[in-house]
Amino acid sequence: DQQVKQNSPSLSVQEGRISILNCDYTNSMFDYFLWYKKYPAEGPTFLISISSIKDKNEDGRFTVFLNKSAKHLSLHIVPSQPGDSAVYFCAASGASGTYKYIFGTGTRLKVLA
Amino acid sequence: SAVISQKPSRDICQRGTSLTIQCQVDSQVTMMFWYRQQPGQSLTLIATANQGSEATYESGFVIDKFPISRPNLTFSTLTVSNMSPEDSSIYLCSVPGTSGYTGELFFGEGSRLTVL
Repeated sequence: DQQVKQNSPSLSVQEGRISILNCDYTNSMFDYFLWYKKYPAEGPTFLISISSIKDKNEDGRFTVFLNKSAKHLSLHIVPSQPGDSAVYFCAASGASGTYKYIFGTGTRLKVLA
Repeated sequence: SAVISQKPSRDICQRGTSLTIQCQVDSQVTMMFWYRQQPGQSLTLIATANQGSEATYESGFVIDKFPISRPNLTFSTLTVSNMSPEDSSIYLCSVPGTSGYTGELFFGEGSRLTVL
Protein backbone atom coordinates (compact mmCIF):
# COMPACT_ATOMS: atom_id res chain seq x y z
CA ASP A 1 0.00 0.00 0.00
CA GLN A 2 1.57 3.22 -1.19
CA GLN A 3 0.92 5.79 1.52
CA VAL A 4 2.44 8.66 -0.45
CA LYS A 5 1.53 8.92 -4.10
CA GLN A 6 2.72 11.06 -6.94
CA ASN A 7 0.31 10.15 -9.69
CA SER A 8 2.01 12.05 -12.48
CA PRO A 9 5.23 10.30 -13.47
CA SER A 10 6.22 13.19 -15.73
CA LEU A 11 5.43 16.82 -16.47
CA SER A 12 6.60 19.22 -19.17
CA VAL A 13 6.41 22.99 -18.74
CA GLN A 14 7.61 25.95 -20.78
CA GLU A 15 10.35 28.08 -19.32
CA GLY A 16 8.94 31.00 -17.37
CA ARG A 17 5.63 29.28 -16.67
CA ILE A 18 4.46 27.73 -13.43
CA SER A 19 5.23 24.10 -12.62
CA ILE A 20 2.79 22.36 -10.29
CA LEU A 21 3.78 19.02 -8.84
CA ASN A 22 1.22 17.10 -6.84
CA CYS A 23 1.40 14.60 -4.01
CA ASP A 24 -1.36 12.72 -2.20
CA TYR A 25 -1.15 10.80 1.03
CA THR A 26 -3.44 8.41 2.84
CA ASN A 27 -2.31 8.55 6.45
CA SER A 28 -3.90 11.41 8.41
CA MET A 29 -1.21 11.03 11.07
CA PHE A 30 1.44 12.46 8.74
CA ASP A 31 2.38 15.87 10.10
CA TYR A 32 5.54 16.93 8.31
CA PHE A 33 6.21 16.98 4.60
CA LEU A 34 9.29 17.50 2.48
CA TRP A 35 10.03 18.06 -1.19
CA TYR A 36 13.26 16.94 -2.82
CA LYS A 37 14.82 17.43 -6.22
CA LYS A 38 17.06 14.78 -7.73
CA TYR A 39 19.37 15.06 -10.70
CA PRO A 40 20.75 11.91 -12.35
CA ALA A 41 23.76 10.43 -10.55
CA GLU A 42 23.24 12.72 -7.56
CA GLY A 43 21.54 12.30 -4.22
CA PRO A 44 18.22 14.02 -3.50
CA THR A 45 18.51 17.69 -2.61
CA PHE A 46 16.16 19.15 -0.01
CA LEU A 47 13.96 21.93 -1.38
CA ILE A 48 11.26 22.93 1.06
CA SER A 49 9.21 21.57 3.93
CA ILE A 50 5.85 22.18 5.53
CA SER A 51 4.37 21.29 8.87
CA SER A 52 0.75 20.25 9.23
CA ILE A 53 0.06 23.34 11.30
CA LYS A 54 0.54 25.44 8.16
CA ASP A 55 -1.12 25.41 4.78
CA LYS A 56 1.57 27.25 2.86
CA ASN A 57 5.31 27.71 2.94
CA GLU A 58 7.29 29.81 0.52
CA ASP A 59 10.99 29.94 -0.29
CA GLY A 60 11.97 32.00 -3.29
CA ARG A 61 10.54 30.44 -6.44
CA PHE A 62 9.24 27.43 -4.51
CA THR A 63 5.94 27.32 -2.65
CA VAL A 64 4.39 24.28 -1.03
CA PHE A 65 0.67 24.13 -0.31
CA LEU A 66 -0.91 21.67 2.08
CA ASN A 67 -4.60 20.72 2.07
CA LYS A 68 -5.03 18.49 5.10
CA SER A 69 -8.70 17.75 4.51
CA ALA A 70 -7.88 16.46 1.02
CA LYS A 71 -4.60 14.87 2.15
CA HIS A 72 -2.91 16.66 -0.70
CA LEU A 73 0.13 18.80 -1.11
CA SER A 74 1.57 20.54 -4.10
CA LEU A 75 4.82 22.21 -5.04
CA HIS A 76 4.68 25.31 -7.19
CA ILE A 77 7.75 26.53 -9.04
CA VAL A 78 7.46 30.04 -10.47
CA PRO A 79 8.98 30.91 -12.84
CA SER A 80 10.21 27.56 -14.08
CA GLN A 81 13.77 27.40 -15.39
CA PRO A 82 15.54 24.77 -17.50
CA GLY A 83 17.77 23.99 -14.51
CA ASP A 84 14.68 22.87 -12.63
CA SER A 85 14.46 19.82 -14.89
CA ALA A 86 14.84 16.91 -12.48
CA VAL A 87 12.85 14.28 -10.61
CA TYR A 88 10.89 15.66 -7.67
CA PHE A 89 9.97 13.55 -4.65
CA CYS A 90 7.57 14.36 -1.87
CA ALA A 91 8.00 12.71 1.53
CA ALA A 92 5.85 12.49 4.63
CA SER A 93 6.51 11.72 8.26
CA GLY A 94 4.23 11.09 11.18
CA ALA A 95 6.61 9.46 13.62
CA SER A 96 7.74 12.10 16.03
CA GLY A 97 11.49 12.48 16.36
CA THR A 98 12.42 9.48 14.26
CA TYR A 99 12.93 11.10 10.87
CA LYS A 100 11.09 8.19 9.31
CA TYR A 101 9.94 9.51 5.99
CA ILE A 102 7.84 7.77 3.39
CA PHE A 103 8.62 8.90 -0.12
CA GLY A 104 6.51 9.12 -3.22
CA THR A 105 7.70 7.58 -6.49
CA GLY A 106 8.65 10.92 -7.99
CA THR A 107 7.61 13.16 -10.87
CA ARG A 108 10.04 13.92 -13.66
CA LEU A 109 9.84 17.61 -14.55
CA LYS A 110 11.12 18.84 -17.87
CA VAL A 111 11.29 22.60 -18.38
CA LEU A 112 11.45 23.46 -22.04
CA ALA A 113 13.51 26.44 -23.15
CA SER B 1 23.91 21.43 5.76
CA ALA B 2 26.16 18.42 6.23
CA VAL B 3 28.46 17.18 3.47
CA ILE B 4 27.96 13.46 2.95
CA SER B 5 30.35 11.33 0.93
CA GLN B 6 29.62 7.80 -0.19
CA LYS B 7 31.90 5.14 -1.64
CA PRO B 8 31.67 3.51 -4.08
CA SER B 9 29.58 5.75 -6.29
CA ARG B 10 28.76 2.77 -8.45
CA ASP B 11 29.73 -0.88 -8.82
CA ILE B 12 28.88 -3.96 -10.79
CA CYS B 13 28.76 -7.08 -8.66
CA GLN B 14 28.36 -10.76 -9.20
CA ARG B 15 25.48 -12.72 -7.76
CA GLY B 16 26.29 -14.23 -4.36
CA THR B 17 28.95 -11.72 -3.41
CA SER B 18 28.77 -8.97 -0.79
CA LEU B 19 29.61 -5.30 -1.05
CA THR B 20 30.18 -2.71 1.65
CA ILE B 21 29.17 0.90 1.11
CA GLN B 22 30.82 3.61 3.15
CA CYS B 23 29.27 6.88 4.30
CA GLN B 24 31.34 9.74 5.72
CA VAL B 25 29.81 12.92 7.14
CA ASP B 26 31.75 16.13 7.74
CA SER B 27 30.14 16.71 11.15
CA GLN B 28 29.10 14.60 14.10
CA VAL B 29 25.54 13.33 13.90
CA THR B 30 23.58 11.14 16.25
CA MET B 31 21.45 9.41 13.65
CA MET B 32 22.36 8.17 10.20
CA PHE B 33 19.92 6.52 7.85
CA TRP B 34 20.27 4.11 4.98
CA TYR B 35 17.76 4.22 2.14
CA ARG B 36 17.31 2.15 -0.98
CA GLN B 37 15.85 3.24 -4.30
CA GLN B 38 15.04 0.37 -6.59
CA PRO B 39 14.62 1.15 -10.30
CA GLY B 40 11.48 3.21 -10.87
CA GLN B 41 10.57 3.10 -7.19
CA SER B 42 10.51 5.52 -4.31
CA LEU B 43 13.15 5.78 -1.61
CA THR B 44 12.65 3.18 1.12
CA LEU B 45 14.22 3.35 4.57
CA ILE B 46 16.34 0.29 5.31
CA ALA B 47 17.56 1.10 8.80
CA THR B 48 18.62 3.73 11.29
CA ALA B 49 22.27 3.53 12.37
CA ASN B 50 22.96 4.79 15.88
CA GLN B 51 26.45 5.12 17.29
CA GLY B 52 27.13 2.70 20.11
CA SER B 53 24.10 0.51 19.55
CA GLU B 54 22.72 -1.89 16.98
CA ALA B 55 20.97 -0.53 13.96
CA THR B 56 17.19 -0.45 13.90
CA TYR B 57 15.78 -2.15 10.81
CA GLU B 58 12.52 -1.41 9.06
CA SER B 59 9.99 -4.07 8.19
CA GLY B 60 11.26 -6.21 5.35
CA PHE B 61 14.95 -5.63 6.06
CA VAL B 62 17.10 -7.86 8.23
CA ILE B 63 20.55 -7.59 9.75
CA ASP B 64 21.84 -10.74 8.08
CA LYS B 65 21.17 -9.27 4.65
CA PHE B 66 22.09 -5.65 5.41
CA PRO B 67 24.58 -5.52 8.28
CA ILE B 68 25.40 -1.98 9.36
CA SER B 69 28.29 -0.60 11.34
CA ARG B 70 28.45 2.76 13.10
CA PRO B 71 31.87 3.01 14.75
CA ASN B 72 31.70 6.77 15.41
CA LEU B 73 29.54 9.85 14.96
CA THR B 74 30.78 10.64 11.44
CA PHE B 75 30.94 7.26 9.71
CA SER B 76 28.77 4.28 8.84
CA THR B 77 28.85 1.31 6.52
CA LEU B 78 26.10 -0.74 4.93
CA THR B 79 26.87 -4.18 3.58
CA VAL B 80 24.63 -5.82 1.02
CA SER B 81 25.20 -9.53 1.54
CA ASN B 82 24.78 -12.49 -0.78
CA MET B 83 23.58 -10.22 -3.55
CA SER B 84 21.01 -11.13 -6.15
CA PRO B 85 19.82 -9.10 -9.16
CA GLU B 86 16.88 -7.87 -7.03
CA ASP B 87 19.42 -5.96 -4.94
CA SER B 88 20.30 -3.76 -7.91
CA SER B 89 19.45 -0.33 -6.54
CA ILE B 90 20.77 3.02 -5.49
CA TYR B 91 21.73 2.97 -1.83
CA LEU B 92 21.69 6.31 -0.06
CA CYS B 93 23.05 7.49 3.24
CA SER B 94 21.29 10.40 4.93
CA VAL B 95 21.53 12.48 8.09
CA PRO B 96 19.14 14.91 9.78
CA GLY B 97 19.55 18.56 8.96
CA THR B 98 18.42 19.83 12.34
CA SER B 99 18.09 18.56 15.84
CA GLY B 100 14.80 18.38 17.60
CA TYR B 101 11.40 17.10 16.68
CA THR B 102 11.78 16.60 13.00
CA GLY B 103 13.16 18.26 9.96
CA GLU B 104 14.78 17.79 6.67
CA LEU B 105 17.13 14.95 5.74
CA PHE B 106 20.31 15.48 3.77
CA PHE B 107 21.47 12.76 1.42
CA GLY B 108 24.73 11.56 0.01
CA GLU B 109 25.13 11.18 -3.73
CA GLY B 110 24.20 7.51 -3.56
CA SER B 111 25.86 4.24 -4.50
CA ARG B 112 24.45 2.59 -7.60
CA LEU B 113 24.81 -1.18 -7.47
CA THR B 114 24.17 -3.47 -10.40
CA VAL B 115 24.08 -7.18 -9.65
CA LEU B 116 24.58 -9.56 -12.53
